[in-house]
Amino acid sequence: EAGVTQSPRYAVLQEGQAVSFWCDPISGHDTLYWYQQPRDQGPQLLVYFRDEAVIDNSQLPSDRFSAVRPKGTNSTLKIQSAKQGDTATYLCASSFGQGGNTLYFGEGSRLIVV
Amino acid sequence: GDSVTQTEGLVTLTEGLPVMLNCTYQSTYSPFLFWYVQHLNEAPKLLLKSFTDNKRPEHQGFHATLHKSSSSFHLQKSSAQLSDSALYYCALRGSSGNKLIFGIGTLLSVKP
Repeated sequence: EAGVTQSPRYAVLQEGQAVSFWCDPISGHDTLYWYQQPRDQGPQLLVYFRDEAVIDNSQLPSDRFSAVRPKGTNSTLKIQSAKQGDTATYLCASSFGQGGNTLYFGEGSRLIVV
Repeated sequence: GDSVTQTEGLVTLTEGLPVMLNCTYQSTYSPFLFWYVQHLNEAPKLLLKSFTDNKRPEHQGFHATLHKSSSSFHLQKSSAQLSDSALYYCALRGSSGNKLIFGIGTLLSVKP
């Protein structure tokens, strides 16, 4: 069974540039998450979807970050006008259902903003 | 709100000694607790998770017991191996929702 796939694996931007990260979850998983993991910190939830609906985006910096999952499968996380503080690994995860069900993570997209 | 506390940022052990990584939590509901392991430049992977029927989960020699009375889910292993060196995250998921909340992580360094 294929795992969670993310691309690109790496991105280097200058401040003010934009970038999009793409995630393909495990087939059949209804819930998809985007986490931000700054260097030497634990993953911090940005947004999550159940099917195509946003369930919680309270931690997503709405002025520059956006995330969509239009068909309830793949998802895109976009950062506009990147700042040095956005330097982090962006992890996508998926799961089926809730409660004790496991989240499966992708390899992550490493972003460096200079 | 829900939160997870890992008090040790770095644990350094000699190979063969027992491992114990601390995790305590706060949650309004009866949560599910998880331990994830992250090796260098890799994604976090599930190590083990709590059961609803008080069974003790075990995987790769690691085990953890959910103690609701003390709100703890400490990770233990009887004998550390060099390959256990990694970041270990304790995480919580409330029974009413889908959010997985991570602690800050503990770096385990096992030396010969």
